[in-house]
Amino acid sequence: RKEVEQDPGPFNVPEGATVAFNCTYSNSASQSFFWYRQDCRKEPKLLMSVYSSGNEDGRFTAQLNRASQYISLLIRDSKLSDSATYLCVVSRPLSNDYKLSFGAGTTVTVRA
Amino acid sequence: NAGVTQTPKFQVLKTGQSMTLQCAQDMNHEYMSWYRQDPGMGLRLIHYSVGAGITDQGEVPNGYNVSRSTTEDFPLRLLSAAPSQTSVYFCASRDRDRGRIGRPGELFFGEGSRLTVL
Repeated sequence: RKEVEQDPGPFNVPEGATVAFNCTYSNSASQSFFWYRQDCRKEPKLLMSVYSSGNEDGRFTAQLNRASQYISLLIRDSKLSDSATYLCVVSRPLSNDYKLSFGAGTTVTVRA
Repeated sequence: NAGVTQTPKFQVLKTGQSMTLQCAQDMNHEYMSWYRQDPGMGLRLIHYSVGAGITDQGEVPNGYNVSRSTTEDFPLRLLSAAPSQTSVYFCASRDRDRGRIGRPGELFFGEGSRLTVL
């Protein structure tokens, strides 16, 4: 079983719509969670960290559900520029650092 | 500020050839790593380093070597290329937490190297 699983999509949404998707993780020792964004044929970049109480960054809202072991990302008022693949990243501590596990990504396409 | 610089961006190799992917960062990050990205799979860790002179294996280390003689540089060597090593390779670096904030810092990626092995 993969340590991090995501619905690959694609999620095709019109401009202005709200889109939401989840990421599930299997290791209960996971402690830190992140969303990275990857544009087509580019490198991943940090979008936001996910905190226990949930957090917002502009039009983006991230939630964490430890009991069910998933995190979610919601994008409100979608823009064309939000078209990208969103990577879920889960971290757990090691003796001298952290182990980061990446999901395969959820592709979002926003159409005019 | 250049961040993480990878070269080359594209490379075609024949089976059995060797090559080195270069990676350099100017952020004084202790942690550096190499990932490969294949369709339908998450980024998979090849090798990583928590400081100069220290390297360790990740999930998929076979067929690759690394060294870390300086804080800035972390080259990845393909010893004898195979078609299964056709992939996009990313170098990434971050601060080591050392317990300061209790979680890993932001991972900064290079632009990627697209490798095709024929």
